Amino acid sequence: GQQVMQIPQYQHVQEGEDFTTYCNSSTTLSNIQWYKQRPGGHPVFLIQLVKSGEVKKQKRLTFQFGEAKKNSSLHITATQTTDVGTYFCAGLGGATNKLIFGTGTLLAVQP
Amino acid sequence: DAGVIQSPRHEVTEMGQEVTLRCKPISGHNSLFWYRQTMMRGLELLIYFNNNVPIDDSGMPEDRFSAKMPNASFSTLKIQPSEPRDSAVYFCASRQTGTSTGELFFGEGSRLTVL
Repeated sequence: GQQVMQIPQYQHVQEGEDFTTYCNSSTTLSNIQWYKQRPGGHPVFLIQLVKSGEVKKQKRLTFQFGEAKKNSSLHITATQTTDVGTYFCAGLGGATNKLIFGTGTLLAVQP
Repeated sequence: DAGVIQSPRHEVTEMGQEVTLRCKPISGHNSLFWYRQTMMRGLELLIYFNNNVPIDDSGMPEDRFSAKMPNASFSTLKIQPSEPRDSAVYFCASRQTGTSTGELFFGEGSRLTVL
């Protein structure tokens, strides 16, 4: 079945450093979404990418969808303590309409 | 808008007992999803419904798990009998298909502990 992997599993950075998480799907995706889950919270939607090679920015966050639509990345510039949480990509692909979540990357930011 | 509402927020039960988790999706949303989250397995899709009809239940672990959606505003996930390995956070999420983003709106989750 469809699998979505993320690396790294965990990243610890100093406040102000940059952070990147990578998402790879075993199958071609029709679109990809990114979610953030704060500790003890629930996943919250950040953005959706649809087009091959698409790049979108939200303030310090940059999202990219690969040309082959099988991978994606999220880059945070100059992390802040409010960025702490687990970042999930979620891919929509295949004949079904189900969203498969990646394994997630837990970001810890030290002030 | 109240968002997706789940109950109970926490449940502690003993092995063998029946557990029922409840979800009220956002009004107007026509797709509903049940996910399970554990440290070991991450966020797993258990089942999803479109217009109250189960579309894909391939993620349901075994026959002990069942889900229903009797109407557009209510869904249940039942585990009978429960086992310690069912301990997890169960999330319900809903969305309106056909929108530009198709984002999922998650509830706060039901944290289940089976002793």
